[in-house]
Amino acid sequence: DSGVTQTPKHLITATGQRVTLRCSPRSGDLSVYWYQQSLDQGLQFLIQYYNGEERAKGNILERFSAQQFPDLHSELNLSSLELGDSALYFCASSVMTGNNEQFFGPGTRLTVL
Amino acid sequence: KNEVEQSPQNLTAQEGEFITINCSYSVGISALHWLQQHPGGGIVSLFMLSSGKKKHGRLIATINIQEKHSSLHITASHPRDSAVYICAVSFIYGGATNKLIFGTGTLLAVQP
Repeated sequence: DSGVTQTPKHLITATGQRVTLRCSPRSGDLSVYWYQQSLDQGLQFLIQYYNGEERAKGNILERFSAQQFPDLHSELNLSSLELGDSALYFCASSVMTGNNEQFFGPGTRLTVL
Repeated sequence: KNEVEQSPQNLTAQEGEFITINCSYSVGISALHWLQQHPGGGIVSLFMLSSGKKKHGRLIATINIQEKHSSLHITASHPRDSAVYICAVSFIYGGATNKLIFGTGTLLAVQP
């Protein structure tokens, strides 16, 4: 158990819908990262937050957004969902930003029908 | 060309064998990570290294910064080692962020 929690574990929804994925980092970790793992693209970095502020953006679509709250949990919002958004979404956390080991949550498996 | 290349893509070994998985990268990095992903999907961080060698139990990771190459070794392999092993590299830029770029993974099956 990495100490990073993600909810829900599974999510099935329809095209055009909006969903929110939630991540709670390890106690004491200030940095949260979101990753997407799909069959055709593999693992890709989406976005990073550090202590409530956006720190880096990767291959995140405009339909997706995220935020980190004062209690350091983070939410990833996915809207106008398409079939191609079906994937595993991982959250990871680290103590600081910079060169730190990242600890991964169990992931949320999103299926868009 | 991918920035992170792993080989082999698939590996089948007999229990007890010594296993090596290789990772090459094409850009300057701040650290290299080895991750393990089991069939259930969860990802576990095995090593983060920026130079030299690290050992944890039967796992050994090495990195050669000059050659931009890392290896993950598993000694006395066991069926429970069966998983996907993923190499990832991290960069420090613009405010010391730490995003990871991933290789495509090596699917390891250890047969009893």
